[in-house]
Amino acid sequence: QVQLVQSGAEVKKPGASVKVSCQASGYTFSTYLLHWVRQAPGQGLEWMGIINPSGGTTTYAQKFQGRVTMTRDTSTSTVYMELSSLSSEDTAVYYCARKNFVESRNLYYWGQGTLVTVSS
Amino acid sequence: DIQLTQSPSFLSASVGDRVIITCRASQAISSYLAWYRQRPGRAPELLIYAASTLQSGVPSRFSGSGSGTEFTLTISSLQPEDFATYYCQQLFTYPFTFGPGTKVDI
Repeated sequence: QVQLVQSGAEVKKPGASVKVSCQASGYTFSTYLLHWVRQAPGQGLEWMGIINPSGGTTTYAQKFQGRVTMTRDTSTSTVYMELSSLSSEDTAVYYCARKNFVESRNLYYWGQGTLVTVSS
Repeated sequence: DIQLTQSPSFLSASVGDRVIITCRASQAISSYLAWYRQRPGRAPELLIYAASTLQSGVPSRFSGSGSGTEFTLTISSLQPEDFATYYCQQLFTYPFTFGPGTKVDI
């Protein structure tokens, strides 16, 4: 069965960087693009960007351009999301997600979420 | 970027009620719209995609309609597990923005 398993919670100081991982299993890794979505406490969902595990190409939301880097390791079927210059406003749960079928557009499979807390 | 608005932002309802949530896009997005339910402490769950396709395993009390710029999610008979927050998302063009959410409370 498809699984997206994320790394554990992180606590970072303002100005630092964080790198969250998302390991995929149960399907051919290169077949599906992987999205990153975040949710600040008590707030809505925010789409951050997407990575193509096949070639590593990425598209980021304008808001995060210059601060986010998404990469992948095909040998371990893992994608990474690194966010730099953290501030308290980056405190959120970060999710990776992918769609259900190749021909569809949605987010069906979700990781369990990774809480990133930014605090001095 | 395409902006999505949802109405209402909050609604109070009872078990068995029929609930309709509206999502409006700032420009036409064809039928590239999905609906999610999010219960506290959990990841979002996909309910509807392509505006009106019910995700397999999702109860038939959920239905979606619309195209272009106006979409609706209907819950025909609200169940206890449906007290949650609902989000729409456009997947027409990057960035794949979400609506601000509609909280359904008792």
